Amino acid sequence: DQQVKQNSPSLSVQEGRISILNCDYTNSMFDYFLWYKKYPAEGPTFLISISSIKDKNEDGRFTVFLNKSAKHLSLHIVPSQPGDSAVYFCAAPNSGGSNYKLTFGKGTLLTVNP
Amino acid sequence: NAGVTQTPKFRVLKTGQSMTLLCAQDMNHEYMYWYRQDPGMGLRLIHYSVGEGTTAKGEVPDGYNVSRLKKQNFLLGLESAAPSQTSVYFCASSYGGRGNEQFFGPGTRLTVL
Repeated sequence: DQQVKQNSPSLSVQEGRISILNCDYTNSMFDYFLWYKKYPAEGPTFLISISSIKDKNEDGRFTVFLNKSAKHLSLHIVPSQPGDSAVYFCAAPNSGGSNYKLTFGKGTLLTVNP
Repeated sequence: NAGVTQTPKFRVLKTGQSMTLLCAQDMNHEYMYWYRQDPGMGLRLIHYSVGEGTTAKGEVPDGYNVSRLKKQNFLLGLESAAPSQTSVYFCASSYGGRGNEQFFGPGTRLTVL
């Protein structure tokens, strides 16, 4: 059972436009979410997170929105740059005592065209 | 501060051979993890450790063993490699606790023929 879903394997946008990456979850106990970015031949790196007590968290060009009732979150990148081309993973910590373990989505490959 | 390092970066094995992947971190993290990444599958947890001398199974542990003899090192072993273990392996570490960021190594690309 896939508890964190990224239904779009890939997304292509033009430089300067907005990129919107989506993530859905099924476990209502999830209360914290992270986005990781991964370049080819490198390990994932943490990008931005959001707690369920918020519905928005912003860091520079990156904003994550959380809709708890829909069990949906999205990562907005504005404006998109070619250097943003990477795979983006959505992740959530397990609930309760094993909250140090993360459940990852399958990732979305973002391509930003110059 | 090197962060999380992995050795080797690449390896080709024949079916039935064994090998050990080494992960080292210099951030004094208690928690360490081994993941594998396969096309279209995201990151799947193989084994993890919540402290020196401890190990536990993750989502896909079969065919792998791990050891955490020192806090800074986490070893992943394949006793008898199979083609299904062809993958990219990532080690990560964290302070632990809710939502704590995991820091990843650069990965090991393993091919089993």
